[in-house]
Amino acid sequence: AQKITQTQPGMFVQEKEAVTLDCTYDTSDPSYGLFWYKQPSSGEMIFLIYQGSYDQQNATEGRYSLNFQKARKSANLVISASQLGDSAMYFCAMREGRGYQKVTFGTGTKLQVIP
Amino acid sequence: EAGVVQSPRYKIIEKKQPVAFWCNPISGHNTLYWYRQNLGQGPELLIRYENEEAVDDSQLPKDRFSAERLKGVDSTLKIQPAELGDSAVYLCASSFGQGGRETQYFGPGTRLLVL
Repeated sequence: AQKITQTQPGMFVQEKEAVTLDCTYDTSDPSYGLFWYKQPSSGEMIFLIYQGSYDQQNATEGRYSLNFQKARKSANLVISASQLGDSAMYFCAMREGRGYQKVTFGTGTKLQVIP
Repeated sequence: EAGVVQSPRYKIIEKKQPVAFWCNPISGHNTLYWYRQNLGQGPELLIRYENEEAVDDSQLPKDRFSAERLKGVDSTLKIQPAELGDSAVYLCASSFGQGGRETQYFGPGTRLLVL
């Protein structure tokens, strides 16, 4: 089974609108961390937001928020007020295991913001 | 503060040739990661160092890949001999601390093409 599943290979969103990028995960560890990264065409991975498995509240970082539904094992990224510069690949990742040593990335979602 | 530095940015070699990638992490970051990212996929962890110790190299193809992190700072990843399937982007990342919550900061990557 895939550890991290991103079912949307590509998404379009109108500028200034909100968009949700889906991520589901699979783990039997009670302790884990979920991350979202942005990868522009330049190739560098940029950290966006983190959610711990024991965090009671959904994480937020500026225009980014994480819709964490633990029972459904989903950690969707919500980007509010999309900007043209948000066009990029977005990766969901999970760290699990003792010391959070095991790192797994999803296959990514390509987001394109339309003017 | 300087980010993670990688060189070279691009490398084209013929199969069976050796190749080496270099990474300089962010100053003070004790943990260093090497990832391989195939086209259209998410990064896959190859090896993780805590200081100079390789604490997770389970995904490193040890028959042809080797890595070192002398003095717990810079790191080199080597492939010898290279195969066609090694064409990918090799990403280096670093972080400070342990426990899984720490943010990984990625370098721009080295794009390898094996002909």
